[in-house]
Amino acid sequence: SAVISQKPSRDICQRGTSLTIQCQVDSQVTMMFWYRQQPGQSLTLIATANQGSEATYESGFVIDKFPISRPNLTFSTLTVSNMSPEDSSIYLCSAKDSEAFFGQGTRLTVV
Amino acid sequence: AQSVTQLGSHVSVSEGALVLLRCNYSSSVPPYLFWYVQYPNQGLQLLLKYTTGATLVKGINGFEAEFKKSETSFHLTKPSAHMSDAAEYFCAVTRSSNTGKLIFGQGTTLQVKP
Repeated sequence: SAVISQKPSRDICQRGTSLTIQCQVDSQVTMMFWYRQQPGQSLTLIATANQGSEATYESGFVIDKFPISRPNLTFSTLTVSNMSPEDSSIYLCSAKDSEAFFGQGTRLTVV
Repeated sequence: AQSVTQLGSHVSVSEGALVLLRCNYSSSVPPYLFWYVQYPNQGLQLLLKYTTGATLVKGINGFEAEFKKSETSFHLTKPSAHMSDAAEYFCAVTRSSNTGKLIFGQGTTLQVKP
């Protein structure tokens, strides 16, 4: 399966700022996704990153808060905007070829 | 709508003992089922998956799971626990093999005691 490189691996940010997380896949994939894993909880799908068009967001997530880009079939970014402590989570990029696989995640702490 | 329930947020076993992690699903369509493992400070790794065919699925690291439609279950087992099995385990479901949109259970932390 393909390999995902996600960065940064962790960051500590001030409230009110924004952080952009990058996800690079070592091969072209049709589907890419972004998940959030809040402390002590399971993974929740934020959105599907669509190549060349706007991302498709799940209920409870909006583009203004989590803008996503996907300029090509191997790369996507997720921005967490105007952060608050409630945004402290692990954010994971996922891609699918024959199966879904995941990056190592970005551990975000907002202070 | 689909959902996944993992019974037991924490499971503790002794090294060499049987590992049983429970997963029940709810789905209006034939499900595709997965088990993922997450080691500390790492991403998720696929252990095994059920799509169609044989209901007993073997995965990596000696794990296996059995799809039981009548019980809407997909429990994960391993005959003999190893210290390196200590991790977080997630059961997940999707409605189609063509989508990577997974619905995850709450996760089960497996502790292995020496």
